[in-house]
Amino acid sequence: AQSVTQLGSHVSVSEGALVLLRCNYSSSVPPYLFWYVQYPNQGLQLLLKYTTGATLVKGINGFEAEFKKSETSFHLTKPSAHMSDAAEYFCAVSDRWNSGYSTLTFGKGTMLLVSP
Amino acid sequence: NAGVTQTPKFQVLKTGQSMTLQCAQDMNHNSMYWYRQDPGMGLRLIYYSASEGTTDKGEVPNGYNVSRLNKREFSLRLESAAPSQTSVYFCASSEFDFRQETQYFGPGTRLLVL
Repeated sequence: AQSVTQLGSHVSVSEGALVLLRCNYSSSVPPYLFWYVQYPNQGLQLLLKYTTGATLVKGINGFEAEFKKSETSFHLTKPSAHMSDAAEYFCAVSDRWNSGYSTLTFGKGTMLLVSP
Repeated sequence: NAGVTQTPKFQVLKTGQSMTLQCAQDMNHNSMYWYRQDPGMGLRLIYYSASEGTTDKGEVPNGYNVSRLNKREFSLRLESAAPSQTSVYFCASSEFDFRQETQYFGPGTRLLVL
């Protein structure tokens, strides 16, 4: 069975500082990995995803993530935080459910707080 | 395109009441999903429909039923609401149920059960 662990329920950074949100996963098959962002009172939207190929994945709004198989990690980074990045971020892994269909398993989320 | 729409946005129920949450997508997607989001728990899958005419249980199906009315619409029903079902409910869709597919989420329904 798959699982996702996001280290830190809250991460605080200053505007202009590096953003690093950590995600570790476990999966019984080679994983497909996703980062979603949720702004207040909104649904989730895709930031980026890794399926196959290049392990460094670039997404929207300047975010990127690197798949490291040896570390079972998929950490999300952004070189310089902006106030508009304040949101909750969810890491997810796609795997096979018992019936054979694929579904997403989400981490518990990390709230990113950006101070001026 | 509106994407994924959900109604209602907010609802307050008394214990034992029933209600149906509606979801529709206009992206011609085959697969649809219902999740619940609780503080500190992330999103947990309640039910999903890989294609029109099929539904299957997810991680937390107890107390819920679903109907895939047609390709566009996927409803979630609470037959006898309980306070433990207080949550934010999200509907999502994807083109197929393949592992690499992006899921598109609606804005959510906030449900309070008293």
